[in-house]
Parts: sequence; C-alpha cells; structure tokens
Amino acid sequence: DTGVSQDPRHKITKRGQNVTFRCDPISEHNRLYWYRQTLGQGPEFLTYFQNEAQLEKSRLLSDRFSAERPKGSFSTLEIQRTEQGDSAMYLCASSLGVQGRDEQYFGPGTRLTVT
Amino acid sequence: GDSVTQMEGPVTLSEEAFLTINCTYTATGYPSLFWYVQYPGEGLQLLLKATKADDKGSNKGFEATYRKETTSFHLEKGSVQVSDSAVYFCAPPLYGNNRLAFGKGNQVVVIP
Repeated sequence: DTGVSQDPRHKITKRGQNVTFRCDPISEHNRLYWYRQTLGQGPEFLTYFQNEAQLEKSRLLSDRFSAERPKGSFSTLEIQRTEQGDSAMYLCASSLGVQGRDEQYFGPGTRLTVT
Repeated sequence: GDSVTQMEGPVTLSEEAFLTINCTYTATGYPSLFWYVQYPGEGLQLLLKATKADDKGSNKGFEATYRKETTSFHLEKGSVQVSDSAVYFCAPPLYGNNRLAFGKGNQVVVIP
C-alpha cells in the first residue's frame, strides 16, 4: 500500500491557461474525493466518485472545473481558463466507503499558483 | 444544514501541558467522526476516528469521545510534546459517509 499519490506536486501557470492534475488512490478504495485548501483554511469539498461515477459536485466547482475517473482507478481534475483565485492546494483522498471503515486518506496535494 | 464548529484561534501551550480542542457538529443521523492533523509542510493525516456514539478514538496519546447527547467530539491529550505542534481539524462527514466537513482547524504550538 503506497498511499494516495498526486501529480504534479507543484504547478505554476499563467492566467487563462488550462491545467490538469492526476490522483492515484489506494488500490482497493472505490471512493475518490477532491478537495481544495487555501492558506489558513480547512479543505473544502469539490467532488466525489464512487468507482467511475461522479456522484456529487460542490457548488464551488464552476463549469471551468471538470473531473473524471474513467476506469474507476485514477482520477483527473482539469481547470480551464485558470484565474488567480484558483490558486490553492488541491487535495485528493480515497476511502473504502464501507460503514465503519469509511475514513478518507489524503494525498500530498498539488499546489497550484496562477500568475 | 449539516455543519461543524471548531473552537476559534491558535493554541499555544508549554510542553507536558494538557490540550483540549473543542468540536461540535450538526449532522443527519450518526455519522463517523474524525480528527485529522497537518504537520508543518506535510499533508493531512488521519489522527483518530469514532464510528458510533460513545466510541472513544485514540492514537498517539490523543483521545476523543463521540458524545451523541452533546453532539461533540472534543480532542484531548494529557501531556503534549513539541512534536505535537501542527494544525488539527475536526471533520464529521456531511450527508452520511461522503464529503468531509472540515472546520477551520486549530494551530497548536507547543513550546519547550
């Protein structure tokens, strides 16, 4: 078990560019979550998948954001036409999704800086 | 709606002091409750959890008891160390066992 991994760890982009982040969950976990964390705040939920199905999206997730989990394993989060307000740490987490064993394990995050 | 309330502000205390961080929540039903910790420069780590009322989660000397009657899940440690300096987040799930509702977190600084 290598834990949740995310790539890249850091991304600097210019405003208006598109960026894509990848998350590889713990292998047997069927649930995958994306959160966003800004400095001094707790993580805010963005979206979650049960296997390949995207079951919930936050109102924080504007139409510039899209997430996929095509084979129920890794997931990608794309931000189109980035804005400076998108600068944040993007966190991925995964869980078994089983009652009593539903704790989420987090990856190290991708830090996005939009200049 | 469902929410979590964590006590405000950073906490500074001396080594070997007693630590309490309060957390209360409102939620539908009786979800699992969690405390996460973020050490400087590191990612979020699960510190402890409780899956039902009156459960006590414990890890690394930290404890928290799931109090249904007061909808609380306060974190305690009897004797903190400098290495406990971190940000602590209370996180009950919203809507069952789906999204985690994090509070703002508490910066804990332990001075020798």
